[in-house]
Amino acid sequence: DAKTTQPTSMDCAEGRAANLPCNHSTISGNEYVYWYRQIHSQGPQYIIHGLKNNETNEMASLIITEDRKSSTLILPHATLRDTAVYYCIAIGGNAGNMLTFGGGTRLMVKP
Amino acid sequence: GAVVSQHPSWVICKSGTSVKIECRSLDFQATTMFWYRQFPKQSLMLMATSNEGSKATYEQGVEKDKFLINHASLTLSTLTVTSAHPEDSSFYICSAPLRLADEQFFGPGTRLTVL
Repeated sequence: DAKTTQPTSMDCAEGRAANLPCNHSTISGNEYVYWYRQIHSQGPQYIIHGLKNNETNEMASLIITEDRKSSTLILPHATLRDTAVYYCIAIGGNAGNMLTFGGGTRLMVKP
Repeated sequence: GAVVSQHPSWVICKSGTSVKIECRSLDFQATTMFWYRQFPKQSLMLMATSNEGSKATYEQGVEKDKFLINHASLTLSTLTVTSAHPEDSSFYICSAPLRLADEQFFGPGTRLTVL
């Protein structure tokens, strides 16, 4: 699975959009980009995933660059409850395979 | 979405005790489940892959005799920390995919504190 690089931490004002970047420059053609988040002392929660097209669901939007070497997770209107560690993971088409977690980005949403 | 539960949520035990942690898929069957360990302020680290009806696959550096995994049914995997020591104190999390091509669903985690 391709290695991903994320900033260690980010702050965001409540109500504003949170844009979390992820670099995955060695991603291969059949690897998806998955985003999970972990709120303190809880198990990780799936957010969204994509291959090459931009994706949107009720939680977030995922923007993948045309060369697929990077992506951005967008939380359109961040709330205090979105404060968590966000993990970007690039894995093969079979998401049932094990997930390798990097350091993630610690997002702090402030009032 | 699918639900994965863990029991217990938190356990405190004396050094030398064996502790069993259960991971259940509540509304789906999981032939494969994964066990992770997370130390404070660190990321999750995969310990082993639990396979229903066969032996678990352990990651490098994880002692299979120390961390016993049993996946006896399609909805239950157990992790037993044998002869626990303070350095085994950690947050243990399991996960399971709904289907092999889907995202994984994580349990709420079990916090183990060994005195």
